[in-house]
Amino acid sequence: DTGVSQDPRHKITKRGQNVTFRCDPISEHNRLYWYRQTLGQGPEFLTYFQNEAQLEKSRLLSDRFSAERPKGSFSTLEIQRTEQGDSAMYLCASSPPEQYTEAFFGQGTRLTVV
Amino acid sequence: AQKVTQAQTEISVVEKEDVTLDCVYETRDTTYYLFWYKQPPSGELVFLIRRNSFDEQNEISGRYSWNFQKSTSSFNFTITASQVVDSAVYFCALRAGGGSNYKLTFGKGTLLTVNP
Repeated sequence: DTGVSQDPRHKITKRGQNVTFRCDPISEHNRLYWYRQTLGQGPEFLTYFQNEAQLEKSRLLSDRFSAERPKGSFSTLEIQRTEQGDSAMYLCASSPPEQYTEAFFGQGTRLTVV
Repeated sequence: AQKVTQAQTEISVVEKEDVTLDCVYETRDTTYYLFWYKQPPSGELVFLIRRNSFDEQNEISGRYSWNFQKSTSSFNFTITASQVVDSAVYFCALRAGGGSNYKLTFGKGTLLTVNP
């Protein structure tokens, strides 16, 4: 395992459908993050897990969005009733237990809502 | 609130030129961390450097160097003798408050194009 893995890499869905993305962090990384990036912008924080506990959620994460990390390993991000405004790149990152360290990012899932 | 400003939206240079990417940050916290990430067309954010607020020493890594100045709240990134492979979007990011805050605030990024 050499990095953060995200699946799928691309997803096209019709408005109103539900989608789910998966993120597998680097082994032994206890922290996992989700970010959203729209065209021409920097990534924006969505939510953060330490082990299985979801410790922080952004106001960007509406009630249509839900994230889980059931066993403290992989995580899923689900978007219900997708809207065109949800079209973006969804990035997952992880970091190790040491406090003063950087996050390592996956290649992202590009969502297009048509 | 934290904020990162990368005023340069796009920069275009010719190979072997030196180029500096600017980053200005805002935070009220005395403990914070600054980062630079590179995002090539593949989309993955690649970590380049981390700096904490107590360490203003500049750093050089090969053709890359970073200038951290708390007096001007800037953390600029210079690429010396640029190469085509340096073409990417570069993001400056801030993690403020230390402790249990792990959220990164990113700038909008600077698209660097290095032409042969």
